[in-house]
Amino acid sequence: GQNIDQPTEMTATEGAIVQINCTYQTSGFNGLFWYQQHAGEAPTFLSYNVLDGLEEKGRFSSFLSRSKGYSYLLLKELQMKDSASYLCAVRDSNYQLIWGAGTKLIIKP
Amino acid sequence: NAGVTQTPKFRVLKTGQSMTLLCAQDMNHEYMYWYRQDPGMGLRLIHYSVGEGTTAKGEVPDGYNVSRLKKQNFLLGLESAAPSQTSVYFCASRPGTGEAGELFFGEGSRLTVL
Repeated sequence: GQNIDQPTEMTATEGAIVQINCTYQTSGFNGLFWYQQHAGEAPTFLSYNVLDGLEEKGRFSSFLSRSKGYSYLLLKELQMKDSASYLCAVRDSNYQLIWGAGTKLIIKP
Repeated sequence: NAGVTQTPKFRVLKTGQSMTLLCAQDMNHEYMYWYRQDPGMGLRLIHYSVGEGTTAKGEVPDGYNVSRLKKQNFLLGLESAAPSQTSVYFCASRPGTGEAGELFFGEGSRLTVL
Protein backbone atom coordinates (compact mmCIF):
# COMPACT_ATOMS: atom_id res chain seq x y z
CA GLY A 1 0.00 0.00 0.00
CA GLN A 2 0.89 3.65 -0.20
CA ASN A 3 2.06 5.40 2.91
CA ILE A 4 3.33 8.79 4.02
CA ASP A 5 4.83 9.11 7.50
CA GLN A 6 5.57 12.31 9.36
CA PRO A 7 5.72 13.12 13.08
CA THR A 8 2.41 14.03 14.66
CA GLU A 9 3.66 17.01 16.63
CA MET A 10 6.85 19.01 17.17
CA THR A 11 7.74 21.90 19.44
CA ALA A 12 10.38 24.54 18.78
CA THR A 13 11.46 27.91 20.11
CA GLU A 14 11.00 31.26 18.41
CA GLY A 15 14.12 32.20 16.46
CA ALA A 16 15.38 28.61 16.25
CA ILE A 17 15.53 26.09 13.40
CA VAL A 18 13.30 23.04 13.02
CA GLN A 19 13.36 20.12 10.59
CA ILE A 20 10.17 18.21 9.80
CA ASN A 21 10.76 14.81 8.24
CA CYS A 22 8.59 12.91 5.80
CA THR A 23 9.13 9.35 4.58
CA TYR A 24 7.06 7.79 1.85
CA GLN A 25 6.28 4.54 0.10
CA THR A 26 4.20 5.09 -3.01
CA SER A 27 3.38 3.51 -6.34
CA GLY A 28 5.67 5.62 -8.45
CA PHE A 29 6.89 9.14 -7.82
CA ASN A 30 6.09 12.36 -9.67
CA GLY A 31 7.02 14.96 -7.13
CA LEU A 32 6.71 15.81 -3.45
CA PHE A 33 4.87 18.78 -2.02
CA TRP A 34 4.84 20.58 1.31
CA TYR A 35 1.82 22.60 2.37
CA GLN A 36 1.22 24.77 5.44
CA GLN A 37 -2.14 24.72 7.17
CA HIS A 38 -3.03 27.09 9.99
CA ALA A 39 -5.74 25.88 12.37
CA GLY A 40 -9.18 26.27 10.84
CA GLU A 41 -7.80 27.38 7.49
CA ALA A 42 -7.05 25.90 4.09
CA PRO A 43 -3.68 24.36 3.17
CA THR A 44 -1.38 26.66 1.23
CA PHE A 45 1.48 25.57 -1.03
CA LEU A 46 5.03 25.88 0.31
CA SER A 47 7.37 23.86 -1.89
CA TYR A 48 7.75 21.26 -4.60
CA ASN A 49 10.63 18.81 -5.15
CA VAL A 50 10.92 16.41 -8.05
CA LEU A 51 14.71 16.00 -8.23
CA ASP A 52 17.09 15.08 -5.41
CA GLY A 53 18.53 17.95 -3.48
CA LEU A 54 17.66 21.09 -1.61
CA GLU A 55 15.21 23.78 -2.73
CA GLU A 56 15.48 27.03 -0.80
CA LYS A 57 12.78 29.63 -0.58
CA GLY A 58 13.45 32.34 1.96
CA ARG A 59 13.28 30.97 5.50
CA PHE A 60 11.94 27.65 4.23
CA SER A 61 13.92 24.89 2.50
CA SER A 62 12.84 21.45 1.34
CA PHE A 63 15.08 18.47 0.67
CA LEU A 64 14.40 15.29 -1.28
CA SER A 65 16.13 11.93 -1.57
CA ARG A 66 14.21 9.71 -3.96
CA SER A 67 16.41 6.66 -3.33
CA LYS A 68 15.62 6.84 0.39
CA GLY A 69 11.98 7.84 0.01
CA TYR A 70 12.69 10.79 2.29
CA SER A 71 12.12 14.50 2.45
CA TYR A 72 12.41 17.20 5.04
CA LEU A 73 11.14 20.73 5.45
CA LEU A 74 13.57 23.07 7.20
CA LEU A 75 12.25 26.23 8.80
CA LYS A 76 14.77 28.84 9.94
CA GLU A 77 14.42 31.88 12.20
CA LEU A 78 11.13 30.59 13.50
CA GLN A 79 8.36 33.08 14.09
CA MET A 80 5.18 32.66 16.11
CA LYS A 81 3.17 32.79 12.88
CA ASP A 82 4.91 29.56 11.79
CA SER A 83 2.76 27.68 14.32
CA ALA A 84 0.71 25.50 11.98
CA SER A 85 0.40 22.00 10.58
CA TYR A 86 2.77 21.03 7.79
CA LEU A 87 1.47 18.52 5.27
CA CYS A 88 3.68 16.30 3.12
CA ALA A 89 2.16 14.92 -0.10
CA VAL A 90 3.56 12.72 -2.86
CA ARG A 91 2.24 12.55 -6.41
CA ASP A 92 2.15 8.93 -7.48
CA SER A 93 2.38 7.22 -10.87
CA ASN A 94 -1.30 8.05 -11.56
CA TYR A 95 -0.61 11.72 -10.81
CA GLN A 96 -2.74 11.53 -7.69
CA LEU A 97 -1.60 13.10 -4.43
CA ILE A 98 -1.07 10.86 -1.40
CA TRP A 99 -1.16 12.93 1.79
CA GLY A 100 0.50 12.50 5.14
CA ALA A 101 -1.54 13.21 8.28
CA GLY A 102 0.45 16.37 8.92
CA THR A 103 2.88 17.59 11.58
CA LYS A 104 1.56 20.11 14.07
CA LEU A 105 4.35 22.58 14.85
CA ILE A 106 4.11 24.50 18.10
CA ILE A 107 6.34 27.55 18.49
CA LYS A 108 7.13 28.72 22.01
CA PRO A 109 8.45 32.19 22.87
CA ASN B 1 -8.94 38.04 -6.22
CA ALA B 2 -11.44 35.39 -5.05
CA GLY B 3 -9.52 32.21 -6.03
CA VAL B 4 -11.49 29.17 -4.83
CA THR B 5 -14.75 29.81 -3.01
CA GLN B 6 -16.79 27.21 -1.14
CA THR B 7 -20.36 27.51 0.07
CA PRO B 8 -21.65 26.95 2.64
CA LYS B 9 -18.86 27.36 5.21
CA PHE B 10 -20.79 25.52 7.94
CA ARG B 11 -23.76 23.17 7.89
CA VAL B 12 -25.49 20.85 10.34
CA LEU B 13 -27.57 18.03 8.88
CA LYS B 14 -29.69 15.26 10.30
CA THR B 15 -29.04 11.69 9.24
CA GLY B 16 -30.74 11.00 5.93
CA GLN B 17 -30.91 14.60 4.75
CA SER B 18 -29.33 15.68 1.49
CA MET B 19 -27.23 18.69 0.62
CA THR B 20 -24.91 20.12 -2.00
CA LEU B 21 -21.58 21.85 -1.49
CA LEU B 22 -20.62 24.34 -4.16
CA CYS B 23 -17.07 25.10 -5.24
CA ALA B 24 -16.34 27.96 -7.60
CA GLN B 25 -12.95 29.01 -8.99
CA ASP B 26 -12.14 32.07 -11.06
CA MET B 27 -8.65 31.05 -12.21
CA ASN B 28 -9.74 29.12 -15.33
CA HIS B 29 -8.26 25.92 -13.87
CA GLU B 30 -8.87 22.62 -15.64
CA TYR B 31 -8.59 20.30 -12.64
CA MET B 32 -10.84 20.41 -9.61
CA TYR B 33 -10.93 18.18 -6.54
CA TRP B 34 -13.03 17.45 -3.48
CA TYR B 35 -11.19 16.26 -0.35
CA ARG B 36 -12.28 15.48 3.17
CA GLN B 37 -10.06 16.08 6.17
CA ASP B 38 -10.53 14.16 9.41
CA PRO B 39 -8.46 14.37 12.61
CA GLY B 40 -5.30 12.27 12.54
CA MET B 41 -5.65 11.46 8.86
CA GLY B 42 -4.30 12.89 5.67
CA LEU B 43 -6.53 14.58 3.15
CA ARG B 44 -8.57 11.95 1.31
CA LEU B 45 -9.74 12.44 -2.26
CA ILE B 46 -13.47 11.97 -2.78
CA HIS B 47 -13.96 12.84 -6.45
CA TYR B 48 -12.13 14.90 -9.00
CA SER B 49 -12.55 16.39 -12.46
CA VAL B 50 -10.01 16.93 -15.22
CA GLY B 51 -12.23 19.25 -17.21
CA GLU B 52 -15.73 20.53 -17.83
CA GLY B 53 -18.22 17.67 -18.12
CA THR B 54 -15.86 15.05 -16.65
CA THR B 55 -15.73 13.48 -13.20
CA ALA B 56 -13.87 10.55 -11.66
CA LYS B 57 -13.86 8.68 -8.35
CA GLY B 58 -11.13 9.18 -5.81
CA GLU B 59 -10.16 7.19 -2.75
CA VAL B 60 -13.43 7.55 -0.78
CA PRO B 61 -16.32 8.18 -3.23
CA ASP B 62 -19.09 6.18 -1.57
CA GLY B 63 -22.04 8.26 -0.43
CA TYR B 64 -21.06 11.26 -2.58
CA ASN B 65 -21.84 12.43 -6.09
CA VAL B 66 -20.35 15.26 -8.12
CA SER B 67 -21.02 17.31 -11.21
CA ARG B 68 -18.92 19.69 -13.32
CA LEU B 69 -21.40 21.26 -15.74
CA LYS B 70 -19.39 24.48 -15.97
CA LYS B 71 -15.61 24.76 -15.92
CA GLN B 72 -15.59 27.10 -12.96
CA ASN B 73 -17.94 25.08 -10.73
CA PHE B 74 -17.61 21.69 -9.05
CA LEU B 75 -20.53 20.47 -6.95
CA LEU B 76 -20.38 17.81 -4.25
CA GLY B 77 -23.65 16.16 -3.26
CA LEU B 78 -24.61 14.02 -0.30
CA GLU B 79 -27.83 12.17 -1.12
CA SER B 80 -28.46 10.68 2.32
CA ALA B 81 -26.10 12.05 4.95
CA ALA B 82 -24.59 9.74 7.58
CA PRO B 83 -22.71 10.61 10.80
CA SER B 84 -19.56 9.14 9.20
CA GLN B 85 -19.67 12.04 6.74
CA THR B 86 -19.08 14.56 9.51
CA SER B 87 -15.87 16.19 8.34
CA VAL B 88 -14.22 19.27 6.89
CA TYR B 89 -14.52 19.33 3.12
CA PHE B 90 -11.99 21.13 0.95
CA CYS B 91 -12.29 21.94 -2.70
CA ALA B 92 -9.09 22.52 -4.66
CA SER B 93 -8.13 23.39 -8.20
CA ARG B 94 -5.03 23.53 -10.38
CA PRO B 95 -4.12 24.39 -13.94
CA GLY B 96 -3.86 21.62 -16.50
CA THR B 97 -0.30 22.59 -17.35
CA GLY B 98 2.75 23.58 -15.37
CA GLU B 99 5.40 21.36 -13.82
CA ALA B 100 4.54 21.61 -10.17
CA GLY B 101 0.80 21.82 -10.44
CA GLU B 102 0.28 22.94 -6.89
CA LEU B 103 -3.26 22.96 -5.58
CA PHE B 104 -5.23 26.06 -4.64
CA PHE B 105 -7.68 25.32 -1.85
CA GLY B 106 -10.96 26.83 -0.79
CA GLU B 107 -11.50 27.82 2.84
CA GLY B 108 -13.29 24.59 3.71
CA SER B 109 -16.85 23.57 4.55
CA ARG B 110 -17.47 22.18 8.00
CA LEU B 111 -20.26 19.61 7.94
CA THR B 112 -21.79 17.95 10.99
CA VAL B 113 -24.26 15.09 10.58
CA LEU B 114 -26.32 14.30 13.67
